Amino acid sequence: AQSVSQHNHHVILSEAASLELGCNYSYGGTVNLFWYVQYPGQHLQLLLKYFSGDPLVKGIKGFEAEFIKSKFSFNLRKPSVQWSDTAEYFCAVNADSNYQLIWGAGTKLFIKP
Amino acid sequence: EAGVAQSPRYKIIEKRQSVAFWCNPISGHATLYWYQQILGQGPKLLIQFQNNGVVDDSQLPKDRFSAERLKGVDSTLKIQPAKLEDSAVYLCASTLGTASWDNEQFFGPGTRLTVL
Repeated sequence: AQSVSQHNHHVILSEAASLELGCNYSYGGTVNLFWYVQYPGQHLQLLLKYFSGDPLVKGIKGFEAEFIKSKFSFNLRKPSVQWSDTAEYFCAVNADSNYQLIWGAGTKLFIKP
Repeated sequence: EAGVAQSPRYKIIEKRQSVAFWCNPISGHATLYWYQQILGQGPKLLIQFQNNGVVDDSQLPKDRFSAERLKGVDSTLKIQPAKLEDSAVYLCASTLGTASWDNEQFFGPGTRLTVL
């Protein structure tokens, strides 16, 4: 069965630190990859997505993610985090363009002001 | 543009009771999803509608869960009877187009269910 792993359940960083959140999936075929974010008290919303082409994808608020097919990974990065990036981040994968998204368990990010 | 609406926001019931959740998607969105998110886990798809038809309900525990979207707009999800393990946040999401992976899903605020 397909699965998505987010290795860090909680991450605490200081403002201006660099961020990398890991996401690995278990599926050998064609995948479409997403990062969603949930800010405190708000709804889940799309941060960025990868379908094809350039494996380095840029999203909103300065986030980017890199698809490395050989490593089955789609890690989320930001060079310099802000206090407002405190949120829970979810990686999701769609395999072979079927209907479902398979979600990771999420990473809670806390930025110390 | 109004977002996805859900009610109630919170519900506490005892096991074996029944409960219903309501979702109104963004106007014009053809596809509607119900997810269950247990604490510490990511969302798990329960059922997916395209207009008023079911696209995927393979993970819906049909012995106790039911959902409908009769007029292809709003939807209700029911649990009857509830079990302790049903305690979770129930999320509704919608997409503009047909049931396709490449459409961005817009989520509602969720209903937090506690079963005692």
